[in-house]
Amino acid sequence: AQTVTQSQPEMSVQEAETVTLSCTYDTSENNYYLFWYKQPPSRQMILVIRQEAYKQQNATENRFSVNFQKAAKSFSLKISDSQLGDTAMYFCASLNSGGSNYKLTFGKGTLLTVNP
Amino acid sequence: SAVISQKPSRDICQRGTSLTIQCQVDSQVTMMFWYRQQPGQSLTLIATANQGSEATYESGFVIDKFPISRPNLTFSTLTVSNMSPEDSSIYLCSVVRPLNTEAFFGQGTRLTVV
Repeated sequence: AQTVTQSQPEMSVQEAETVTLSCTYDTSENNYYLFWYKQPPSRQMILVIRQEAYKQQNATENRFSVNFQKAAKSFSLKISDSQLGDTAMYFCASLNSGGSNYKLTFGKGTLLTVNP
Repeated sequence: SAVISQKPSRDICQRGTSLTIQCQVDSQVTMMFWYRQQPGQSLTLIATANQGSEATYESGFVIDKFPISRPNLTFSTLTVSNMSPEDSSIYLCSVVRPLNTEAFFGQGTRLTVV
């Protein structure tokens, strides 16, 4: 079974500054994917960034980057130059790609508030 | 990417009634999933909607309470039956494309049972 742990229920950051959200996971699979999703008040789940476990290079998407530490099973999200629109709930998730099991397992989420 | 249309976006229902939520995808997908997000909580998988066969339910969820239909590769429905206030949640459908292992979500249905 997979588990995903987000130890920061809430965080805040000043606009234009950098913030890092933590995530650890546990899986017995060799092939898996890790994701960060953003859920603003509109409740739409938006994919922020995705990391394949077999890739050593950390994924980046514009202001968003991850620090993927496979041995430590850690997958943190760094948001640079924070913007007011980044205020949202952020969920870390894992997905095993072995066999036909493509179910996502989510952490409990971190509520990020960007202050002006 | 995949465009997913989920209806209704919100509803307020009387206890004891049922609500059917629809999920329409703009292209054929093998895997569709239904999640529940209780207030202030994370997403919990209810079931995997299988085309041409019965849905596969997760522990704690049963077909009598959450019947699911999947008549084709672009459409699925989730019914919340005999509702109680404890069923008040956001319900989301999701699809996964195995080719690039990306998951996409509908806009969610905010259900309030009174």
